[in-house]
Amino acid sequence: DIHMTQSPSTLSASVGDRVTITCRASQRIGTWLAWYQQKPGKAPNLLIYEASGLQSGVPSRFSGSGSGTEFTLTISSLQPDDRATYYCQQYNSYSTFGPGTKVEI
Amino acid sequence: EVQLVQSGAEVKKPGESLKLSCQGSGYRFTNYWIGWVRQMPGKGLEWMGIIYPDDSDTRYSPSFQGQVTISADKSISTAYLQLTNLQASDSAMFYCVRRSGSGSAGGRYFFDHWGQGTLLTVSS
Repeated sequence: DIHMTQSPSTLSASVGDRVTITCRASQRIGTWLAWYQQKPGKAPNLLIYEASGLQSGVPSRFSGSGSGTEFTLTISSLQPDDRATYYCQQYNSYSTFGPGTKVEI
Repeated sequence: EVQLVQSGAEVKKPGESLKLSCQGSGYRFTNYWIGWVRQMPGKGLEWMGIIYPDDSDTRYSPSFQGQVTISADKSISTAYLQLTNLQASDSAMFYCVRRSGSGSAGGRYFFDHWGQGTLLTVSS
């Protein structure tokens, strides 16, 4: 099984800040990684696929990078609406989600 | 517009069984893999399994193999998740999800559309 970790588990930042979340896989997964945003009480929403592909309709302040075992999600200028929990997901072998990173404003 | 509409919240007693449903619309239901994701209270996301409705090819996460049954009725564009011998520890939110990209080839399970979720509470 491929195990995913994320850091930090929680972060607090101000509107306009640049925010970076890191995701690590227990083995190499190429670029088969997605990022999701989940707001309180809502279903998750796909942000990024294949490590750096921006899903249609997602604001351009979100970007992803990485390959192999280390990946990052960056929010270039944090907005109030970005308060949420962010999950990475590997889909190289079946599917495994990371534990999530809660972003507070 | 693609929509996945799930059945409503459920309250069950320990030992009971349950079948959750997820109806897809706005796209060709038979051509996209449909899966299920569990989220326990205050916890993260867990992929349970997935089915290709056109031929009912089904894949399960090793963590859920033998514990749940996923099925689909393509005539009514609906996928199902069956849970048996429910325990309090099964209380969770369950989401149905559509795999991004059409076609019968398995793998590459990431999800571009999610249902609204079905909350299951198991309590005596």
